[in-house]
Amino acid sequence: DQQVKQNSPSLSVQEGRISILNCDYTNSMFDYFLWYKKYPAEGPTFLISISSIKDKNEDGRFTVFLNKSAKHLSLHIVPSQPGDSAVYFCAASAQTGNQFYFGTGTSLTVIP
Amino acid sequence: GAGVSQSPRYKVAKRGQDVALRCDPISGHVSLFWYQQALGQGPEFLTYFQNEAQLDKSGLPSDRFFAERPEGSVSTLKIQRTQQEDSAVYLCASNRDRNTQYFGPGTRLTVL
Repeated sequence: DQQVKQNSPSLSVQEGRISILNCDYTNSMFDYFLWYKKYPAEGPTFLISISSIKDKNEDGRFTVFLNKSAKHLSLHIVPSQPGDSAVYFCAASAQTGNQFYFGTGTSLTVIP
Repeated sequence: GAGVSQSPRYKVAKRGQDVALRCDPISGHVSLFWYQQALGQGPEFLTYFQNEAQLDKSGLPSDRFFAERPEGSVSTLKIQRTQQEDSAVYLCASNRDRNTQYFGPGTRLTVL
């Protein structure tokens, strides 16, 4: 049973425009969320995180929004750059557990 | 500083062979995780160590999978009598606190 879902396997965006990647979760115990970026043949690299006590966290071009009532989070990249082309995974964890639960990823292509 | 390293990067095994995958976490990181990532999927939790103690092995798919971290640093994931369904990328991650995980590049295991 997939507790973290990324329903869009792929997304294409023009350079300079906004990229919005979405993630939904089912477990109400999740209280910490992360986004990872992955290039081929490399491990995921941490991008940005958010705690459930916040609804927004911003780091440069990257902003993560959390809607707890909808159990939904999104990653906004503005402006998108060709180097942002990668697979993006969202992950969630609960205070009571040890593991991170990952979505299946969204492949972002930024077109120059 | 050095990140998480894994070896080998690629491993081809004949069905029924035993394999051992190595992970060198970031120095000083107490927590170490192993994940299995099948093609087109997100990483799935296998097991978790805090120092040398294996605190959670609920994700190990069968008793053919065994992990150890005897001195609280390097960890080895062993798979006995490999099967074709074991083919995946095996990711190791370490973290100092709960806020993020640093992943290694992974070992791609192909069982023929």
